[in-house]
Amino acid sequence: QKEVEQNSGPLSVPEGAIASLNCTYSDRGSQSFFWYRQYSGKSPELIMSIYSNGDKEDGRFTAQLNKASQYVSLLIRDSQPSDSATYLCAVNQGDYKLSFGAGTTVTVRA
Amino acid sequence: GAVVSQHPSWVICKSGTSVKIECRSLDFQATTMFWYRQFPKQSLMLMATSNEGSKATYEQGVEKDKFLINHASLTLSTLTVTSAHPEDSSFYICSARDLRPTTAGAIDTQYFGPGTRLTVL
Repeated sequence: QKEVEQNSGPLSVPEGAIASLNCTYSDRGSQSFFWYRQYSGKSPELIMSIYSNGDKEDGRFTAQLNKASQYVSLLIRDSQPSDSATYLCAVNQGDYKLSFGAGTTVTVRA
Repeated sequence: GAVVSQHPSWVICKSGTSVKIECRSLDFQATTMFWYRQFPKQSLMLMATSNEGSKATYEQGVEKDKFLINHASLTLSTLTVTSAHPEDSSFYICSARDLRPTTAGAIDTQYFGPGTRLTVL
């Protein structure tokens, strides 16, 4: 069973703070990793993809990947109320299917 | 990012009827599309993988005769829920696989449609 685990949350942060989301995966052969954002009642929206060890930055979002530790994280800097959503970690299983974590719900307090 | 559409966005039907949901990749060709189902406060559950020009592959526990999938072109996949019952009420979401070479290496990403909310009375 290929598993993806996320910190359960919910995560509440004040506006302007950094939100830190964590994800671990069980399949050591995984090569592609994604973070999706899902607002309540909506479908997931891709916000970051990462394929190599290290950091990848896109605006206020930074994804970090450590394949040796089988760990991928997402940092949201200068959190805004519009960042309040559920964040899904997804890992490519190698047969191009995605395994999703259960999601972490983030609430940004104004 | 790439754009995927779904139609209809919501549908209400009577028990025993069939419902067809369309998924289209608007600005790229997708040889592979995926169908997911999501119940309230749960994560996405992959139902099946739809491959253009061939039969879909279904995940364990998903009835292929109940959830008919057709992927007749590189931009369109359809999911038909046959003889729908109230327990089939859910949020159905498709995704399309965008696989293309770039100067930075191959991109292999799934983009999701906006979803279809099905309510069976």
